[in-house]
Order: sequence, then structure tokens, then C-alpha cells
Amino acid sequence: GQQVMQIPQYQHVQEGEDFTTYCNSSTTLSNIQWYKQRPGGHPVFLIQLVKSGEVKKQKRLTFQFGEAKKNSSLHITATQTTDVGTYFCAGIIPVRDDKIIFGKGTRLHILP
Amino acid sequence: DVKVTQSSRYLVKRTGEKVFLECVQDMDHENMFWYRQDPGLGLRLIYFSYDVKMKEKGDIPEGYSVSREKKERFSLILESASTNQTSMYLCASSFALAGEGEQFFGPGTRLTVL
Repeated sequence: GQQVMQIPQYQHVQEGEDFTTYCNSSTTLSNIQWYKQRPGGHPVFLIQLVKSGEVKKQKRLTFQFGEAKKNSSLHITATQTTDVGTYFCAGIIPVRDDKIIFGKGTRLHILP
Repeated sequence: DVKVTQSSRYLVKRTGEKVFLECVQDMDHENMFWYRQDPGLGLRLIYFSYDVKMKEKGDIPEGYSVSREKKERFSLILESASTNQTSMYLCASSFALAGEGEQFFGPGTRLTVL
């Protein structure tokens, strides 16, 4: 069936290091969304990418959508302790009612 | 500010009980969703609704039903709770269907079935 794979599952980085999480879909997506869930919290929307090859930036966060619209990445430059949490991608499959499939998430730990 | 509220943060029920999880949103959103979140499995869609009295199955609807009698309220029902339904349940709403806009999540209900 349709899947959205996200790697790595966990990532430990020293504060100040960069971090990247990758999302790969088994099928072409219409768009992709990214969410962040702080420990003990609920997912909060970060961004949506729609166009092939699209790159969007939010301060230290850079989001990319692949040319084939089957993969995406989130890169954080110079991580801070406030970046701790789980990052989820959510791929939107272009079928009737637009099916959304979440990746399993990447849990980011920051070592001080 | 969009607000999605869920009736309980924590709930403990016994096997075989009927369980109601309530979700209310105050932004006049058309679409509402129920997910369960389990460690290592991410978020899995149980049911969603794009209009009052309308419902669509998600990826894991077995053992669950839903009710949407009013636009702002979406209820998840466990007809006969089982231990494998112990999980975190997240409700979400959105203005547009999944592909067109962000989802706003509630705080979640952590359900334990003994």
C-alpha cells in the first residue's frame, strides 16, 4: 500500500550542530506538510510544500520538496534546545478526498 | 486563534466498556479527523468527516465508529474497548481537505484500557 517513510527515527545532536530528517513516499504526492510535536504536546503545523523542487525557509529551518514530488527534507541549522521534539512529514496522496499519510516521525534530542 | 478541545486528557476504562471521546473545534472548520498515536508507529488516521453527518474510514477504522451531528463536534466511539486500543487519541480539524491546508490538533486523550 501507499507509504510515507521517514528517517532517521531518532537523532541526537550537540547543540549548535545541524539536523536533517528525510521523508520518502512510495507514490507521487500532491503536496507535503511538516509538523512539530514538542514532548508532551500535540503536532503543530510548520509548513506545506506544493511545487516540484520547492524550497522554503523559516529562520533556521529549510524545507525541500523533491523534483519528482516523492521526497522531502527538513534541515535545521545550528540546533537549539527549543528544537527538541518529533518532526513529522505528512504526504498528501492525490486521490478522492486527498488521502493524508503521516511519516512515523523523527525524534530530535539536543545534547547541551 | 483556532482551538480544538478534547473532552479528557486522560481516561482509564475497562475491557468491554463503551468509550466516547469528544472533540470540539471553534473555527467553523468543515473537516475533522481522528488519529491514534503509538510509539514507533506515528499518527494513523482512524476516521475523518468532511461535513455534518458524513464520515469516511481512514487507515485503521476497525473497532471504532464516529458521529458528527454538529459541525463543531466530532465524536469517536469505541463500542467495546479492548486493551489494544490503549493509545493516545488526537483529534484535528482543518478548513480544507487534507491536501489544501494545515490541520489543527487538539491536546490529545491518553486512553488506557485495562
